[in-house]
Amino acid sequence: GQNIDQPTEMTATEGAIVQINCTYQTSGFNGLFWYQQHAGEAPTFLSYNVLDGLEEKGRFSSFLSRSKGYSYLLLKELQMKDSASYLCAVSNQAGTALIFGKGTTLSVSS
Amino acid sequence: GAVVSQHPSRVICKSGTSVKIECRSLDFQATTMFWYRQFPKQSLMLMATSNEGSKATYEQGVEKDKFLINHASLTLSTLTVTSAHPEDSSFYICSASPRSGSPLHFGNGTRLTVT
Repeated sequence: GQNIDQPTEMTATEGAIVQINCTYQTSGFNGLFWYQQHAGEAPTFLSYNVLDGLEEKGRFSSFLSRSKGYSYLLLKELQMKDSASYLCAVSNQAGTALIFGKGTTLSVSS
Repeated sequence: GAVVSQHPSRVICKSGTSVKIECRSLDFQATTMFWYRQFPKQSLMLMATSNEGSKATYEQGVEKDKFLINHASLTLSTLTVTSAHPEDSSFYICSASPRSGSPLHFGNGTRLTVT
């Protein structure tokens, strides 16, 4: 079966660093995606990993270990506007839909 | 680039009526579009895969006669919720990708409320 796990909620303070973990078990693997979703809005793309290692994009980095079925999203220098839900999603196969985890709600406080 | 437009953003309808939601890829052609549904505080659940020029593929548990999908052109897919009921109230989001393997881009979603 398909299973994507991530923590339900996390809290952090402004300026801090937070790591959101994601583990997955899927029938195939063609890439792992991270999306940010603010309440009432559609998800926006943050990062994409298909090979093992770290991808860095400004304040956001994402890591993938395919052998462990594990990824994390690292957010640095947290800002209040980073309060949102972060969705881990896996592509089983090229051209097919993404399978989403339940999302991690991050609350950033001052 | 890779903009997906969805309309309407919000709709309120009476129980028993039908609602049509449009999804357009504005700057690329999409032979495949995906329709998701999201209930409050839950993740996105795939409803169906819309294929240009052929029948949609529905996920298990999604009634194809209730959620009609038409993908008549390379830039437009429509989802019609027929005979809507209050339990159909949800956030419906379409998505597409300019090419296989690239990230999905999402429309802004449609908040459907059935009274």
